[in-house]
Amino acid sequence: SQQGEEDPQALSIQEGENATMNCSYKTSINNLQWYRQNSGRGLVHLILIRSNEREKHSGRLRVTLDTSKKSSSLLITASRAADTASYFCATGPYNQGGKLIFGQGTELSVKP
Amino acid sequence: GAVVSQHPSWVICKSGTSVKIECRSLDFQATTMFWYRQFPKQSLMLMATSNEGSKATYEQGVEKDKFLINHASLTLSTLTVTSAHPEDSSFYICSASGLAVNEQFFGPGTRLTVL
Repeated sequence: SQQGEEDPQALSIQEGENATMNCSYKTSINNLQWYRQNSGRGLVHLILIRSNEREKHSGRLRVTLDTSKKSSSLLITASRAADTASYFCATGPYNQGGKLIFGQGTELSVKP
Repeated sequence: GAVVSQHPSWVICKSGTSVKIECRSLDFQATTMFWYRQFPKQSLMLMATSNEGSKATYEQGVEKDKFLINHASLTLSTLTVTSAHPEDSSFYICSASGLAVNEQFFGPGTRLTVL
């Protein structure tokens, strides 16, 4: 069964606004990753945060991880229409050989 | 970065036929490959994990006799959907990892439509 739960399921914002997506998971993890998927396309890896890290930045992306609450958030600042896509968190369960369990995803729509 | 390809990118077949999907790591040796299935508007569901030279490990609820996985070399894994039915229509995505097991590189996906 899927381990990650994400909210919101859908998010619609105006260009220039920030978008925040949240992910919760159930078991111990080695790492948590965020991916982006444009409609009908493959996955693009955005960022990986390890279980001993609390925050990570990459360009306009900011990811936080709270292992005590088993949750993570992805913040996209100054959003652009090109950021429109589905975003998935994926957890790497502890001691399961690199396997990834994906959350349900957030469908982000950025209106110009 | 590492590149993973899938072939074909899309396939349409008749009910009852078998379809083979290839996943290749183009510029690295993939010790582990993963196969996922994604239905429309849904997330990716892990189907199985395969290590080169050994039998695949299937997730609960995935029929191993229906979804045959072969990982015969460090650069190629295949998924064969046997006796496909319309409910098998889906987007199948593979990923591959090398020595860094936490790093998976995803293929572009194969869209299967069973008529």
